[in-house]
Formats: sequence, structure tokens, C-alpha cells
Amino acid sequence: ETGVTQTPRHLVMGMTNKKSLKCEQHLGHNAMYWYKQSAKKPLELMFVYSLEERVENNSVPSRFSPECPNSSHLFLHLHTLQPEDSALYLCASSQDNRGTDTQYFGPGTRLTVL
Amino acid sequence: GQQVMQIPQYQHVQEGEDFTTYCNSSTTLSNIQWYKQRPGGHPVFLIQLVKSGEVKKQKRLTFQFGEAKKNSSLHITATQTTDVGTYFCASNTGKLIFGQGTTLQVKP
Repeated sequence: ETGVTQTPRHLVMGMTNKKSLKCEQHLGHNAMYWYKQSAKKPLELMFVYSLEERVENNSVPSRFSPECPNSSHLFLHLHTLQPEDSALYLCASSQDNRGTDTQYFGPGTRLTVL
Repeated sequence: GQQVMQIPQYQHVQEGEDFTTYCNSSTTLSNIQWYKQRPGGHPVFLIQLVKSGEVKKQKRLTFQFGEAKKNSSLHITATQTTDVGTYFCASNTGKLIFGQGTTLQVKP
């Protein structure tokens, strides 16, 4: 509906697992983002990619590793996560990484770390 | 760093009552965006305000940007059950900084 899809929608993983979240946008946008949304916390910006180049990394632990192979796809590789990493992970895209661009969010991946 | 404070955190209203959420910043904002997130859903863009003192309306929703561009408000007239959700303001000055959100519950 918004042109941004995310898979999987739900993920349960152990602390020793390795998994990846996938995001795809069909809007022809040049910028893509990963956000973390935890209960009772504001949306936290994790990574920003503009034209496939990472332009921002908001002090995110190295157990989260983003990858942007092209302007339509964005991945978040996860390894050795902690239970406190359980959250809704939202992908978003915008035309460009400018201050006035509207962000279009995907449905999110609900991650539970056991 | 820049922060955007949003109040109240929660609001319960009877259907038909009005609702207002406020967004405040200690620094001047270049613009403000408002998003709505339905329960179990994802944030969806509602509107962007750019000019000082700007007021925009979308049916029963009225958005206002303060004269000093340090605060904004969203007012819903005569709430309906479809208005349920969390309303976020966000300031975009290079990167999007979200407020904590106001979660609205509407009792039918």
C-alpha cells in the first residue's frame, strides 16, 4: 500500500542466531532508512542510506549490520543479539535525504530475541 | 542534540470530544511533520508545516506551526473511533527526529 515492503513480518531468534531483515521500496526513492521502535520509546533512527551510500550511523552496536546493494533494497543483518534488541524494526524511504522529504514506512518486522 | 518533546503521552476521550497533542522544541525548527500510527501498524505521513504561524486543515484535523517555529499542535475536532492511534510529530533538519508520540484512545 505504501510502496515499501518488509520481510519477514515477524521473527523470533535466539541470541546466537544470525538472521537478516529485508526491505524493498517500489517508489523510485534515493534514500532508505532503518528505525527501531521499542515500547514507550520514540522512534530511533539507526541508519541512513542515500544513493546506496551510508550517510549516517547513529551509534548502533556492531551486532546490527546494514547493507544497501541498490537504491531499491536495504538489508539489516543481525547476529548475537540481546533480548533488549526485541522491537519493531521499521524501514522507510524518501525521495532524497533532504530536510523536507516525506518518509514512507514499511509495515515493519516484529523481532523477538529469546 | 536536538530534541522534540511531545505531550501528553496518552489521552483517553469519549467519542465526539476534541483532542489536542502538542510538540515542543528548545530550538527553532525548519519544518515539522506529523505522522499517525494505527495500533499494529506503521507510521503514515499526515502533513508537513514549513512557515511560521502556518495552519493547515485536513477534514477534522487542524495542524498549527508556532510563530517562533518552536512548537506545533494537532487538534482533532469531534473524535471518532477511527482516530485511534499514536500521533507523532517529527522535525526534519537533516535527519528526522521523532517526538515520543501521543497515543489516543477513543471510547465509543
